[in-house]
Amino acid sequence: EPEVTQTPSHQVTQMGQEVILRCVPISNHLYFYWYRQILGQKVEFLVSFYNNEISEKSEIFDDQFSVERPDGSNFTLKIRSTKLEDSAMYFCASSGQGSAGEQYFGPGTRLTVT
Amino acid sequence: AQSVTQPDIHITVSEGASLELRCNYSYGATPYLFWYVQSPGQGLQLLLKYFSGDTLVQGIKGFEAEFKRSQSSFNLRKPSVHWSDAAEYFCAVGAGYSSASKIIFGSGTRLSIRP
Repeated sequence: EPEVTQTPSHQVTQMGQEVILRCVPISNHLYFYWYRQILGQKVEFLVSFYNNEISEKSEIFDDQFSVERPDGSNFTLKIRSTKLEDSAMYFCASSGQGSAGEQYFGPGTRLTVT
Repeated sequence: AQSVTQPDIHITVSEGASLELRCNYSYGATPYLFWYVQSPGQGLQLLLKYFSGDTLVQGIKGFEAEFKRSQSSFNLRKPSVHWSDAAEYFCAVGAGYSSASKIIFGSGTRLSIRP
């Protein structure tokens, strides 16, 4: 069964450093998303992406964040200058055309900012 | 704005007992509704979904959920829980009808199983 994969599973970085989280969505999917979950809290939407541009972004997704689909398979989330409060689990998700919101989630990347 | 409320933060049930996890949503039209499960340190797995039609939907692992429009609820049920069901359960609503619509999650209910 096809699945969404994410790398790395755990990333530790120092405050102020740039990080790139990588995702490989399901191959025939067209819609891509990033969510995050701060420890002990709910899963929050960050951004959706379709046709090589952002469809929607949340208030969390400020200028420190960016997304990119650099090739036909990867979908990345970049945080330019990490802050302590960026420590969270980051989930990538994808959905297909006409899926009416049924999104498939990856296993997540745990980001720890020290 | 759309929102999801899961009133129970933590529930403990005995193995073999029945389970019902509550979920209420706020949405202006017929919503797309989901239940996801998250085991410790793991990602989100879709248990079941409701888009339209029969209001009682069956999911994986023996779970089912019933959409009740009059109560704005989508409660998750299982007739007999197993120790492996211990996890965090999230109710969620699709924020629109297009494929690009985000999902809005509730705050989750942590399920513990008593041996």
